Amino acid sequence: GDSVTQMEGPVTLSEEACLTINCTYTATGYPSLFWYVQYPGEGLQLLLKATKADDKGSNKGFEATYRKETTSFHLEKGSVQVSDSAVYFCALPNYGGSQGNLIFGKGTKLSVKP
Amino acid sequence: DSGVTQTPKHLITATGQRVTLRCSPRSGDLSVYWYQQSLDQGLQFLIQYYNGEERAKGNILERFSAQQFPDLHSELNLSSLELGDSALYFCASSATTSGRDEQFFGPGTRLTVL
Repeated sequence: GDSVTQMEGPVTLSEEACLTINCTYTATGYPSLFWYVQYPGEGLQLLLKATKADDKGSNKGFEATYRKETTSFHLEKGSVQVSDSAVYFCALPNYGGSQGNLIFGKGTKLSVKP
Repeated sequence: DSGVTQTPKHLITATGQRVTLRCSPRSGDLSVYWYQQSLDQGLQFLIQYYNGEERAKGNILERFSAQQFPDLHSELNLSSLELGDSALYFCASSATTSGRDEQFFGPGTRLTVL
């Protein structure tokens, strides 16, 4: 079945360091791909998404490119801030979107030190 | 603020008991999803409702049930509780049944079973 594999954390970085969180997927067809973020004590919120191959999603300085050839959707940021400390989840819709629920990766906890 | 509300925020109960978690979706959203987040299992989809009808089921135990009411709010009922049911329970909503749409998450209900 469809699945998502993302690098396990925790990841600890200093402020202004570069971030990459790897995400690969197995899916039927070409699903939309998502990154959700969970700040401490809060629910998940959509960070960015891409709906087709070669699309680049971006938000708040984060970017991810939908790579069909490598079935990947890695999250990147050039300069992280303390406020980026959170858990990041890669996700895709089940059965290519015909079933509405999301399949999530295990999550990667990011801690950014001043 | 996602517009999705969940009550209560915290729930502490004993094994064998029954609890009800409540969710109000974002205004206008017809789909409601329930997810369970635990340390060992990560984020797992439980069940989806769309406009009052059950739409999809995930890894939901037989001891758990849910429903969506005419005003679109949803309740998740957990009975014969076990220690392993301790987790964060999230409700999410979206406008349609398509997994390609953004899902908006509530702040969650933290259930502790003693």
